[in-house]
Amino acid sequence: GAVVSQHPSRVICKSGTSVKIECRSLDFQATTMFWYRQFPKKSLMLMATSNEGSKATYEQGVEKDKFLINHASLTLSTLTVTSAHPEDSSFYICSARRLAGGPGEQFFGPGTRLTVL
Amino acid sequence: AQTVTQSQPEMSVQEAETVTLSCTYDTSENNYYLFWYKQPPSRQMILVIRQEAYKQQNATENRFSVNFQKAAKSFSLKISDSQLGDTAMYFCAFTFRTGANNLFFGTGTRLTVIP
Repeated sequence: GAVVSQHPSRVICKSGTSVKIECRSLDFQATTMFWYRQFPKKSLMLMATSNEGSKATYEQGVEKDKFLINHASLTLSTLTVTSAHPEDSSFYICSARRLAGGPGEQFFGPGTRLTVL
Repeated sequence: AQTVTQSQPEMSVQEAETVTLSCTYDTSENNYYLFWYKQPPSRQMILVIRQEAYKQQNATENRFSVNFQKAAKSFSLKISDSQLGDTAMYFCAFTFRTGANNLFFGTGTRLTVIP
């Protein structure tokens, strides 16, 4: 149980286009989903926290107009990278907390590699 | 601010041997949780072990155990009988017991198990 999927796993796009990444909790309801960014050989950097039905909370330095997050249901959150540029190329990982989950208990998706040409 | 420090960027261990990965953290809070996550080449983050700060007993999960020293703010991971499948990046992480429960990650230790 507690499986989180991400789609797509890889995406290559041209500079200036927008890319949507989906994060789904497959067998549980997720009240909170987290979006991370990971640069090569680096740690995970929290970008934003999203709660179902409310606006996402962005970490300092993360542009909310560039990284649009929607958490429309208890099983789906989306991250849209708008007007992507090469510097947005990275590995994006989502995680989800269960409705009755313990503190810090997060289940991670397999990640999405974004390459912007 | 909460910080998590992993001072060993890379480590290696012979198969079947034991290895210890170090982690220190800094917080003024008293109630929190500590974690070790594993990220294999597949990039899927996997929870290895969890420690609750108010518990003095060190957590153990099969071949994985921790040495939690609350006063020293130290949280090391010991892997016994290392296996080739243990080769991965290992991240130490911290979260508050209440609130949004964001995870604060260390910079990671790349562990290679040598056959």
